[in-house]
Amino acid sequence: AQKVTQAQTEISVVEKEDVTLDCVYETRDTTYYLFWYKQPPSGELVFLIRRNSFDEQNEISGRYSWNFQKSTSSFNFTITASQVVDSAVYFCALSERDFTQGGSEKLVFGKGTKLTVNP
Amino acid sequence: KAGVTQTPRYLIKTRGQQVTLSCSPISGHRSVSWYQQTPGQGLQFLFEYFSETQRNKGNFPGRFSGRQFSNSRSEMNVSTLELGDSALYLCASSLVGARETQYFGPGTRLLVL
Repeated sequence: AQKVTQAQTEISVVEKEDVTLDCVYETRDTTYYLFWYKQPPSGELVFLIRRNSFDEQNEISGRYSWNFQKSTSSFNFTITASQVVDSAVYFCALSERDFTQGGSEKLVFGKGTKLTVNP
Repeated sequence: KAGVTQTPRYLIKTRGQQVTLSCSPISGHRSVSWYQQTPGQGLQFLFEYFSETQRNKGNFPGRFSGRQFSNSRSEMNVSTLELGDSALYLCASSLVGARETQYFGPGTRLLVL
C-alpha cells in the first residue's frame, strides 16, 4: 500500500492563481513527521516545511501555507498568488519507524506533483 | 554553512561496470541517506548511515552498497551496472536521522549505456 499519496500528477495554472497540492498519508506510527520538498528543474530537493504529528496548527510562510488534518491523514500545501518561479515538482514525505529494520526511521516520498505556472 | 555536496555530478558508464558516488554532508550532520530517483519509480530510499553504521536499508539488490567514514562522508557503490540503474542519485544529510529535516545535495546523474 502506498504510504504517501499525491493524487495530482500535474497541475497547470496561470500566474497569480492560488493552487493547492494534496497529500494523503498512511502510517501506524503514533509519532511521525511530515515534510514538503520542492524540486526545481535543476534537480536539487529544497526543504519547505517539517511538521510533527502532534502539531496540527496550520502554518503560513509568505505565499505558502500548509493545512495538516490528522483526522483525514492529510497535509495539503497551498501557494497563494502563484508565480512562474513556483514551477517545480513538489514532494510530500513521511518519516516513520520501519519495524522491519528494528524501528529505525526512514523517509517515504509521494510520487510528486508537477506544478507549472504560466505567465 | 556549506550545503551537502555530491561528486561527480554526471557520470556515464556501460553495463557491467561499477561506480562509486560520493557525498559530503553538512558539517555536524551525522546521518546520511541515499535515494534513487527515476521517472517510473520516483524517489526511493536506498540506505541510511549513522556513525559509520548502516541503520536502515531499502529494497534494493545487493549490488547497491554504501559506507560512511568517521568524518560522516559517505560513498555508495553500484556493481555490475544495469541499464535500469540509470537515475538521479540523491544524498541527504541530517543531524541524527529521518525525523530531523534532511537536506539534499544536487545529486549525481548516472547514465548506463
